[in-house]
Amino acid sequence: DQQVKQNSPSLSVQEGRISILNCDYTNSMFDYFLWYKKYPAEGPTFLISISSIKDKNEDGRFTVFLNKSAKHLSLHIVPSQPGDSAVYFCAASAYNNNDMRFGAGTRLTVKP
Amino acid sequence: DAGVIQSPRHEVTEMGQEVTLRCKPISGHDYLFWYRQTMMRGLELLIYFNNNVPIDDSGMPEDRFSAKMPNASFSTLKIQPSEPRDSAVYFCASSLVRPGLAGGPTSQYFGPGTRLTVL
Repeated sequence: DQQVKQNSPSLSVQEGRISILNCDYTNSMFDYFLWYKKYPAEGPTFLISISSIKDKNEDGRFTVFLNKSAKHLSLHIVPSQPGDSAVYFCAASAYNNNDMRFGAGTRLTVKP
Repeated sequence: DAGVIQSPRHEVTEMGQEVTLRCKPISGHDYLFWYRQTMMRGLELLIYFNNNVPIDDSGMPEDRFSAKMPNASFSTLKIQPSEPRDSAVYFCASSLVRPGLAGGPTSQYFGPGTRLTVL
């Protein structure tokens, strides 16, 4: 049962443009959401997170938007850089639960 | 700190053989997680420990899989007997506090993974 879904397996963007990665979830109990970035041959690393009490969180070039009514979140990267090329995982957790659910990941390629 | 350490980094074995994956979490982290990554399903949580005690193993696919954490600095994931469909990258992660706890360092730190190939 995929409670967290990333429906786009890949995304290609030109350097300098905006990258938008999407994530949908089904469990209304989720109240904390995270994005992880993964380079080849490395483990995922934490990128940015958002609590359900917010609808936006910004950190430099990275912004995460949360739409609770639609059970949808997105990660915006602007401007995109070639070094952003990686697989991005969306994750969600619930306060009364100790595990996180991950999406299948989206491979972002930023072309110079 | 060296981060989460996993060994081996690559493992190639034949169907039916026993496979043991190892993990050393970040010192002081009370939570340890084992994940499996496949192309089809992405990152799946297999099992996690809190203070060396298994809390939730509902993600363990079959009885062929077992995990132990004999002390705070070491955990193993064992597959016996292994099958070709077990081929995946297995990640270990550790965390200071449980996921989702607002106001705290909720991110998990992942190891580099073990790429398992079962022929």
